[in-house]
Amino acid sequence: KNEVEQSPQNLTAQEGEFITINCSYSVGISALHWLQQHPGGGIVSLFMLSSGKKKHGRLIATINIQEKHSSLHITASHPRDSAVYICAVGRGSNYKLTFGKGTLLTVNP
Amino acid sequence: DAMVIQNPRYQVTQFGKPVTLSCSQTLNHNVMYWYQQKSSQAPKLLFHYYDKDFNNEADTPDNFQSRRPNTSFCFLDIRSPGLGDAAMYLCATSREEGWEQYFGPGTRLTVT
Repeated sequence: KNEVEQSPQNLTAQEGEFITINCSYSVGISALHWLQQHPGGGIVSLFMLSSGKKKHGRLIATINIQEKHSSLHITASHPRDSAVYICAVGRGSNYKLTFGKGTLLTVNP
Repeated sequence: DAMVIQNPRYQVTQFGKPVTLSCSQTLNHNVMYWYQQKSSQAPKLLFHYYDKDFNNEADTPDNFQSRRPNTSFCFLDIRSPGLGDAAMYLCATSREEGWEQYFGPGTRLTVT
């Protein structure tokens, strides 16, 4: 079993829909990251959080440390949101990142 | 303005021909990372530098080496690329270990 599990693996939505991507992890962590990667492209860091909730524009990330669970929400989704969203957890003295396999989001117009 | 720059964006090399990938940063961060990402897989950490201190992951093949001549630059050298080394190579930086990582756009390596 992977230390970081994301669901769903693939998600298709219509423009304007509210999107939720989930991440569960099985190890103690220092912080959790949500990353975005467009097809064939590099990675953009969206959030780094260790407790509570963060919001940036239409994106919201929450984390529940006790339940070892985080969610990424996208409000009013848009086709430009189509990308792979990756959850990664940081831990250890050298803060090594462990990545989930990613969720491929497709938003249709 | 680009903060983590990788050159080239696309690199084609022949089987067994040494290749060097470059990463530079304008953030003055202490930590620089190299990740390998194969198609449809999660990124895999190869090495990281804290300042000049080099940290090699246990499962990073000996074929891969890295150099960090100064704070701004870090290089990934692949001594004898094999077909299995074709991947996206991502550079990232962070001010300190445990801080947010900033990723570059990646270099897509093709081995023919």
